[in-house]
Amino acid sequence: AQKVTQAQTEISVVEKEDVTLDCVYETRDTTYYLFWYKQPPSGELVFLIRRNSFDEQNEISGRYSWNFQKSTSSFNFTITASQVVDSAVYFCALSTLNTGTASKLTFGTGTRLQVTL
Amino acid sequence: DAGITQSPRHKVTETGTPVTLRCHQTENHRYMYWYRQDPGHGLRLIHYSYGVKDTDKGEVSDGYSVSRSKTEDFLLTLESATSSQTSVYFCAISDRDRGYEKLFFGSGTQLSVL
Repeated sequence: AQKVTQAQTEISVVEKEDVTLDCVYETRDTTYYLFWYKQPPSGELVFLIRRNSFDEQNEISGRYSWNFQKSTSSFNFTITASQVVDSAVYFCALSTLNTGTASKLTFGTGTRLQVTL
Repeated sequence: DAGITQSPRHKVTETGTPVTLRCHQTENHRYMYWYRQDPGHGLRLIHYSYGVKDTDKGEVSDGYSVSRSKTEDFLLTLESATSSQTSVYFCAISDRDRGYEKLFFGSGTQLSVL
C-alpha cells in the first residue's frame, strides 16, 4: 500500500520568508512518480512538478525548489522569498509507474500555507 | 487549460436521492478519474476509467458507480446520496500512453447532501 504524509497541517509565514513544506512517502515499488499540486483559494488544482524515482536531482523553478531524497523517502518543497500569492493548500502525491495502467495518485492530506504582509 | 468541464459546479440534494455528476473532456485522453476531497483526507480516488466502457474501483468506491459510454464523458452516480457523500468532487484526465503521468483536474463540483 502507498502512503503520503504531510505532517504540517498549516504554516504561517510573513512575506519574503523562506518556507519548506515536508512530504514523506511510503511505497514498495521501486519505480514511481512524485508530484506537488497547488490549490489556491479559488479551488482548482494546479500541477507544479513531477519527479520520477530514477532522478534524485534537485530541481529549481524560479522561487520554487524541490529536494528529493530516496534515502529518507522525502520530497520536500521550498518556496524562497514567499509572496501573498503563494497562499494556498499544497498537496504532495505519489503514483506507481506501471506501464499501461492508470496513474492512480495517492495524495497527502495537504499543507495550508498562509503568507501575510 | 486542460479542457475539462465538470457539471454541475454546485449541487444541493437530499438524502436518498440519486445524483449524477458529469465530467467532459476535449483532449481525447484515455484515462479519466473521479476523486473526492475532504478535510483531513486530501484527495481520494473513487473510480477511474481506462477507456470506453472500461472502469475500475478506487480507494473509496462504495456508494458510487460510474459510466463511460464515450471517450469524452465520464459520469459519476450516487445511487442514493448520503450525508457522508457531502464533498468536493474532482474529475481528472491523463494520457498515459503518451508518457504523460501528470493528472489535469477539472474545477470541481461542490456537493451537499442534506
